[in-house]
Amino acid sequence: GDSVTQMEGPVTLSEEAFLTINCTYTATGYPSLFWYVQYPGEGLQLLLKATKADDKGSNKGFEATYRKETTSFHLEKGSVQVSDSAVYFCASYSGAGSYQLTFGKGTKLSVIP
Amino acid sequence: DAGITQSPRYKITETGRQVTLMCHQTWSHSYMFWYRQDLGHGLRLIYYSAAADITDKGEVPDGYVVSRSKTENFPLTLESATRSQTSVYFCASSERWSSQETQYFGPGTRLLVL
Repeated sequence: GDSVTQMEGPVTLSEEAFLTINCTYTATGYPSLFWYVQYPGEGLQLLLKATKADDKGSNKGFEATYRKETTSFHLEKGSVQVSDSAVYFCASYSGAGSYQLTFGKGTKLSVIP
Repeated sequence: DAGITQSPRYKITETGRQVTLMCHQTWSHSYMFWYRQDLGHGLRLIYYSAAADITDKGEVPDGYVVSRSKTENFPLTLESATRSQTSVYFCASSERWSSQETQYFGPGTRLLVL
């Protein structure tokens, strides 16, 4: 079945540092890929998505590029802020009759001033 | 307010008791989902529903029951709660379900089974 692997956390960065959270996937065919963010005490919100190879999703300064050759969808941000502190989940959906999003285990990011 | 809501937000119960978690959405989305979130596992799908009166099992359905008599409601029942069901439960919905669709999540219910 499908699976998503994210880098283990927690990740602690200083404000304005560069962020990378690695995500790789295994799936049948060519899945759609998503990054969701969960702020403390809240539900998950879609951060960005990409539905085909070489697509770049972007939102709020975050970017991720769908790399078919490396089966990856790494999340990046050039300059993090304290308000970016949250848990980030990578997810995939390959369809094929399944309604299930497959989530990674989540990476907790803490940004310190 | 429009959106997806869950109740209660926090619940403490005892082993063997029946518990129902409520989920309500105001968008008239066809698809609704229940996930549980546990440390080290991320989110796992319990049940989903493609429309009123249509439900199906996800990855971890054992010990849970769902119903969907109205499009906007999707309650999750733990018929006889166990300690292993201590978790945070998220409801989600989407208008359609395809590789392009986004799921919208509720704020979660934190359940403790003693």
